Amino acid sequence: DTAVSQTPKYLVTQMGNDKSIKCEQNLGHDTMYWYKQDSKKFLKIMFSYNNKELIINETVPNRFSPKSPDKAHLNLHINSLELGDSAVYFCASSQVKNEQFFGPGTRLTVL
Amino acid sequence: GNSVTQMEGPVTLSEEAFLTINCTYTATGYPSLFWYVQYPGEGLQLLLKATKADDKGSNKGFEATYRKETTSFHLEKGSVQVSDSAVYFCALSTNSGYSTLTFGKGTMLLVSP
Repeated sequence: DTAVSQTPKYLVTQMGNDKSIKCEQNLGHDTMYWYKQDSKKFLKIMFSYNNKELIINETVPNRFSPKSPDKAHLNLHINSLELGDSAVYFCASSQVKNEQFFGPGTRLTVL
Repeated sequence: GNSVTQMEGPVTLSEEAFLTINCTYTATGYPSLFWYVQYPGEGLQLLLKATKADDKGSNKGFEATYRKETTSFHLEKGSVQVSDSAVYFCALSTNSGYSTLTFGKGTMLLVSP
């Protein structure tokens, strides 16, 4: 009965590879987000989708491509991974303007 | 633009001590204010929130009051426990359009027995 789930929890990969992180929410929310948390714990918004449409893209490199097949899912695909992409990525969801509920995070390590 | 400034950590306290974590913000309009908590190895959980000036959010013994005149939302708890050890994030959300959370840099709290 997890509200916001992410897979995988850990992802270790080589530079240059392409990888995806999946996110699903069962709260019936219409807005989903991806955040990046760096090694110093700083959290920054990457993308936001409302009803499967991209509404916020915070100057993220175009190697990052979010995809929302339906309101309950927001996946993050990353091409040509770089060392600087190593971070914890959090998915979140909300009803518009209401509090956000976060997933458990995906720790990405690029070697 | 919007920004949130938190005191730097770590904050180290003994069990039953009084806790204050300072948070000030800069925002256009009238934002909603939040405190989120991140326990080790976990995602963020909403701790408390306030949506307008002079509102007090409270949960699990933690409190914070939305002070418009000082643009602050300081987190307090009268008696901390070891289980409160975590990273605490102050955040704001503007109430116009599709808003997202702007976070402070987080403050680590370490409580020893």
